[in-house]
Amino acid sequence: DAKTTQPNSMESNEEEPVHLPCNHSTISGTDYIHWYRQLPSQGPEYVIHGLTSNVNNRMASLAIAEDRKSSTLILHRATLRDAAVYYCILSSRTQGGSEKLVFGKGTKLTVNP
Amino acid sequence: NAGVTQTPKFQVLKTGQSMTLQCAQDMNHEYMSWYRQDPGMGLRLIHYSVGAGITDQGEVPNGYNVSRSTTEDFPLRLLSAAPSQTSVYFCASSPGLAGWYTQYFGPGTRLTVL
Repeated sequence: DAKTTQPNSMESNEEEPVHLPCNHSTISGTDYIHWYRQLPSQGPEYVIHGLTSNVNNRMASLAIAEDRKSSTLILHRATLRDAAVYYCILSSRTQGGSEKLVFGKGTKLTVNP
Repeated sequence: NAGVTQTPKFQVLKTGQSMTLQCAQDMNHEYMSWYRQDPGMGLRLIHYSVGAGITDQGEVPNGYNVSRSTTEDFPLRLLSAAPSQTSVYFCASSPGLAGWYTQYFGPGTRLTVL
């Protein structure tokens, strides 16, 4: 399975932008890059995903390097509700041909008021 | 839509007891899966299903059984609970298999095995 590397933790101030990095140097050409986040005592929640081009949605932006070996999740204005563990994940095809998500430990984001 | 629902929210078992964790989704998703999350760790895939009647093993399947008789339901069975199965269990569903699909997670079941 292709692996991702993220910092264990990051801090930000409220209403400031946050850039969460992720390295995935062994990514294959068909792997999608997904970001999920997990608020305390809740299940993971989808944030954004992409393949090659940068992506924007109402929650965040995803910037993907040209060689696809790294990506950055951008929260444009962090709020206290954005404090969570953020997971950068590559879609992974099992031997049976099914896609699965392989979760690492993620980055714990702390947002200071 | 209720999304993905899981019951119970909390459960305490004694070693050797059996139980079934329930998972249901009302989004007509073909793909469903079970994960466990141990303290300070990411999620690990236990079992998954690509449709009614079809299941397969994930990364940590030992000690767990699953079946998928309907599109909506995907129960996880612990036949003989062990303390090592103390964890938070999440069920997820997705419209399909390809890498661009989003997975929707339930709120989790916190299981303690004494």
